[in-house]
Formats: sequence, structure tokens, C-alpha cells
Amino acid sequence: QKEVEQDPGPLSVPEGAIVSLNCTYSNSAFQYFMWYRQYSRKGPELLMYTYSSGNKEDGRFTAQVDKSSKYISLFIRDSQPSDSATYLCAMSGAGGGNKLTFGTGTQLKVEL
Amino acid sequence: DAGVIQSPRHEVTEMGQEVTLRCKPISGHDYLFWYRQTMMRGLELLIYFNNNVPIDDSGMPEDRFSAKMPNASFSTLKIQPSEPRDSAVYFCASSLGRGRWSYEQYFGPGTRLTVT
Repeated sequence: QKEVEQDPGPLSVPEGAIVSLNCTYSNSAFQYFMWYRQYSRKGPELLMYTYSSGNKEDGRFTAQVDKSSKYISLFIRDSQPSDSATYLCAMSGAGGGNKLTFGTGTQLKVEL
Repeated sequence: DAGVIQSPRHEVTEMGQEVTLRCKPISGHDYLFWYRQTMMRGLELLIYFNNNVPIDDSGMPEDRFSAKMPNASFSTLKIQPSEPRDSAVYFCASSLGRGRWSYEQYFGPGTRLTVT
């Protein structure tokens, strides 16, 4: 079983929809949680990060962490075609973020 | 800054040949990471360096893979001999490695390797 599980999709939604992307994990030592966005034929780029449990909001994006359930989510409000990409969750232990464990990514397509 | 630079962008080679992938990290970053990405296994960390010293190479698949970082501005990942199952996109990433900035790894554009 992988340490981090993520539904690969693809997920197709109409423009303006609310999108929910999720990851589950098994390693209780994970303390830092990140979401990276990867456009086609590009490298991943950091979108959001959170520490421990709770919510964090940045514009149309909200990241949630529930450590008791070992479950993290990324919500995208008012989704746009430019949000079409693969979203990867990533996690790190208490020692810091130098070594990240990534999910396999969820491919999202926002259609006009 | 130009970001993380990788070369070549595409490499097609025959099984058994030696392949060398190159990476120039962002100036001032003290951590460098090599990843491999496939549809089946996602993004896997192969090895990472801190101040040019290899810290964790537990993700290197086997002895056919080797990585070096002779100075702060250059790293190589070598596969010898290459096999078809090595076909993947190889990413290099760098980070400042201090406090919260250690989570922000800057990725290069990747090298798409095809071994026939």
C-alpha cells in the first residue's frame, strides 16, 4: 500500500463549479501538507501548503487537513479553464520539508 | 533568475546505452532533488543533495543509476546501461531548505527519456 493515495481522475467539471480534490495517507508522522499544480509538459509548482490540521484559504483555493482521519483536501471555487492541470498532494514529516512524498496526482479538466 | 534548467529536454536511446541527464539549480538554493515521474508510479524521489552532498539515495532503483553534484550549480543523473523500463520523465528540483521555504521546491521542465 502506498503511503499517499490519490484518485487519478480524470475529473471533468463545467466552468464555475466547485472542485474537491482529496488525498489519504497512512504515515501519522506527516506534519506538513502541500498541493502542487502541474500543467501538461511542465514541472510541478507549489500551490498551497499547510501545517498540521486546519484550513488555509488563498483566493479561490482552500486547503483542509484532518489529521485524525489522515485526509487532506483542496477546494477550488469558481473553477476556470486555466485551472485545468494535474494536482499533486505532497507531505513531509516533522523533520521538515526537505523530503516530500507525493501522491500520483488527479487530472482536472474545467470545460467552457 | 532563469529557474531550474535541465538538459536535454528529450532523449531517445537504445537499450544498453549510457544516458546522462543534467541539471542547473537556482542560484543560492542549497538542496537539489532528482525525481522520476511515470503514469503508474507518479512522482518518485530518487536522490537529494544538501550543499552538494548526497543525503538520501534510497529511491535510486538500482546500481545502474548514479548521481553526482560536483559543485553548487551542476548535477548529473546517469543511467548505465539503460533499459526500456527506465522510460519516464525525470525532474530536477531545488529549494532553499530553510524553514517554510523548504516545502517550496522549484522544478525544472523535465527530461523525457525514451529507451527503445
